[in-house]
Amino acid sequence: QKEVEQDPGPLSVPEGAIVSLNCTYSNSAFQYFMWYRQYSRKGPELLMYTYSSGNKEDGRFTAQVDKSSKYISLFIRDSQPSDSATYLCAPNNDMRFGAGTRLTVKP
Amino acid sequence: EPEVTQTPSHQVTQMGQEVILRCVPISNHLYFYWYRQILGQKVEFLVSFYNNEISEKSEIFDDQFSVERPDGSNFTLKIRSTKLEDSAMYFCASSPGTGVDALHFGNGTRLTVT
Repeated sequence: QKEVEQDPGPLSVPEGAIVSLNCTYSNSAFQYFMWYRQYSRKGPELLMYTYSSGNKEDGRFTAQVDKSSKYISLFIRDSQPSDSATYLCAPNNDMRFGAGTRLTVKP
Repeated sequence: EPEVTQTPSHQVTQMGQEVILRCVPISNHLYFYWYRQILGQKVEFLVSFYNNEISEKSEIFDDQFSVERPDGSNFTLKIRSTKLEDSAMYFCASSPGTGVDALHFGNGTRLTVT
């Protein structure tokens, strides 16, 4: 079983929609969870991270962790075309990323 | 803001040739990484480097690959004898530490093997 599973999409939504991106993980020792964003032809960049369970909000972005079900979510409110990118989850900042979910927000 | 720089941005080479991809990590960072991304596929971990030695490598990082930090600023990835399937985007990353310290990525070198 892979340590990180992520639906690669692609996911296409209209501008203004709420987007939910999800990962599952298998290693219960993971304690913090990073989300990276990768624009086309660019390297990934850290978007946000959460430590342990609960929610963390940063502007239009909310990261949520449910350790009991080993489920990580990233919510994007009022999505914008500039949010179009691939989103990668990285539990414990593990060097091995999930497949990433490719998101397109259509104007 | 300091950034990771990679050169060249695009490298074309013939099968069987050796290539060296170069990276200048952020100056006070201690951990260095190489990743590969084949077109349309996921970002794949190749190798991590700390304290002048490889700390971890993936199954992709076979004997054809090597890394080096020849001086205080550069970090290189060498592919000894390139194959067609080595064609990919190669990303260098660095971080000040492990844990919640983010990986800072360069913009990559696109390697095309013909």
